[in-house]
Amino acid sequence: EVQLVESGGGLVQPGRSLKLSCVASGFTFSNYGMNWIRQAPGKGLEWVAYISSGSSYIYYAETVKGRFTISRDNAKNTLYLQMTSLRSEDTALYYCARGNYGSPFDYWGQGVMVTVSS
Amino acid sequence: NIVLTQSPATLSVTPGESVSLSCRASQSISTSIHWYQQKSNESPRLLIKYASQSISGIPSRFSGSGSGTDFTLSINRVESEDFSIYYCQQSYSSLFTFGSGTKLEIK
Repeated sequence: EVQLVESGGGLVQPGRSLKLSCVASGFTFSNYGMNWIRQAPGKGLEWVAYISSGSSYIYYAETVKGRFTISRDNAKNTLYLQMTSLRSEDTALYYCARGNYGSPFDYWGQGVMVTVSS
Repeated sequence: NIVLTQSPATLSVTPGESVSLSCRASQSISTSIHWYQQKSNESPRLLIKYASQSISGIPSRFSGSGSGTDFTLSINRVESEDFSIYYCQQSYSSLFTFGSGTKLEIK
């Protein structure tokens, strides 16, 4: 069974940093691209970042480019999102989701909440 | 960026009715569109991929159609468990985008 479990969320002040993790199981993690997608409270879905299976290709949404960094450790079956210079508008539930480039997001985690507030 | 416009924003129906949800892309995206269902307080679930391809485990009452810029998600005879929010998403460009969603509610 495919499982994606996010962690690392919490309350953080504007301008500070936070690092999210997503541990994958039930599939060969190193064969798949991975994504971060977020959802602000009461709002729709926003794709945040993509990383290819071998980390060669990385893409970001314009809203986070230059502030967020996606990475992965295939030996640990773990996906990361380093978030810096956080803003109130980054407050959201952050999901990790499996999906190769050009493919749908076929499995999602349960999400981890990030709240940016003073 | 490719903008996806979903309509209507809210659709009120009676269980047993059949419905069609629309997703329009700001430029041609072939069939690189996928549909997701999100129930309250749950993670999204993939319903249809590449405009019309079915997903294992998804009821057959869900179907998709379209290509280019206009896409449709159809639900044949809506059941009570189908009342939720539906999103389309494009994977044509490297900046993946979602539509704003259609909320299917009980009339």
